[in-house]
Amino acid sequence: DIHMTQTPSSLSASVGDTVTITCQASHDISNTLNWYQQKPGKAPKLLIYDASTLEAGVTVRFSGSGSGTEFTFTIRGLQPEDIATYYCQQYDTLPHTFGQGTKLEIK
Amino acid sequence: QVQLQQSGPGLVKPSQTLSLTCAISGDSVSANRAAWTWIRQSPSRGLEWLGKTYYRSKWYIDYGGSVKGRITIKADPAKNQFSLQLTSVTPEDTAVYFCARARGIGLLDYWGRGSLVTVSA
Repeated sequence: DIHMTQTPSSLSASVGDTVTITCQASHDISNTLNWYQQKPGKAPKLLIYDASTLEAGVTVRFSGSGSGTEFTFTIRGLQPEDIATYYCQQYDTLPHTFGQGTKLEIK
Repeated sequence: QVQLQQSGPGLVKPSQTLSLTCAISGDSVSANRAAWTWIRQSPSRGLEWLGKTYYRSKWYIDYGGSVKGRITIKADPAKNQFSLQLTSVTPEDTAVYFCARARGIGLLDYWGRGSLVTVSA
């Protein structure tokens, strides 16, 4: 299985900050990477697919980049509603594994 | 708007079979641009992709490694739903189970609300 390593596992930032989460794949996955946001008690929500394409209806404050094995997810102008856990997921190879998540908190 | 409605027991005894169903509205389980997927989430294992079924002139099923041999995913076109069965469950199978639609190969764009399934005597 392809192992996805997310860093950091938790992150505290202030409203208005720019935050960045990193996801590393154990094998080259080209750009077959998604980012999800999950709020407590809810299902994950697709934010970005193909590493950098914003899902329809998702705020432009969110962006993604990377290819191969290294990927980043960035939130610009952090807002209180961005408090959530964020996950990466690869869909290059079965099973479509997820990272362990990054819990984002507001300072 | 696609909606996925999950149903099934919330408590299963060890060694028995976990069964969940996901009813689809707003799309078709036979759509050739989607795959119908099961994922589970637990504190110890995080988000775990379990498997998917999809129709591309014929039915295909893919399963994740950790549950292979115990898992069955089936589509029911007549009822426009798909199901998950997991046999010989142990307490380690306690988790919130989600059904989801994968757009294309693996973009999980619509999710059910999740079903907490507890494995306990």
